[in-house]
Amino acid sequence: QKEVEQDPGPLSVPEGAIVSLNCTYSNSAFQYFMWYRQYSRKGPELLMYTYSSGNKEDGRFTAQVDKSSKYISLFIRDSQPSDSATYLCASISGNTPLVFGKGTRLSVIA
Amino acid sequence: GAGVSQTPSNKVTEKGKYVELRCDPISGHTALYWYRQSLGQGPEFLIYFQGTGAADDSGLPNDRFFAVRPEGSVSTLKIQRTERGDSAVYLCASSSGGADTQYFGPGTRLTVL
Repeated sequence: QKEVEQDPGPLSVPEGAIVSLNCTYSNSAFQYFMWYRQYSRKGPELLMYTYSSGNKEDGRFTAQVDKSSKYISLFIRDSQPSDSATYLCASISGNTPLVFGKGTRLSVIA
Repeated sequence: GAGVSQTPSNKVTEKGKYVELRCDPISGHTALYWYRQSLGQGPEFLIYFQGTGAADDSGLPNDRFFAVRPEGSVSTLKIQRTERGDSAVYLCASSSGGADTQYFGPGTRLTVL
């Protein structure tokens, strides 16, 4: 079992929809949780970063972590065609390497 | 300011050849990471430098892979006797401190024929 599991999709939604992206993880030691966005043929770009459980909001994006169920979510409100990309969740504990999920490919259709 | 840069952006080589991939981190970033991303997968950790020394090389798949960072800035990932299975995008990231906020370069797409 991989330490971070993520449904690869693809996920296709109409413009303006609310998007929900999810990951599960197995390592109880993970303390930091990130979401990266990766456009085609580009490197991953840090989108959101959360420490421990709770919610974090940044504009149209909300990251949620539930450590009791080992569940990580990213919500995108009022999705735009420019949000079309692969979204990668990642987790880390202390100074261990980042562990990534496979990524979910999202298409927002105008 | 300038981000992480990687050269070349694409590299095509033949099986058995030696390749070098270069990473220029963000100026002042002491930590540097190499990852490998295969098609349809997330990045997988290879090696981490803190300054000039390799603090964690547990992700290197075998002894054909080696990386250096002699002056604590630019890093080179070296792959000997390349195999077709080495074909992937090799990503470099840097951070100013903790591993939690890493900034990635655009990657080098390596194709081994």
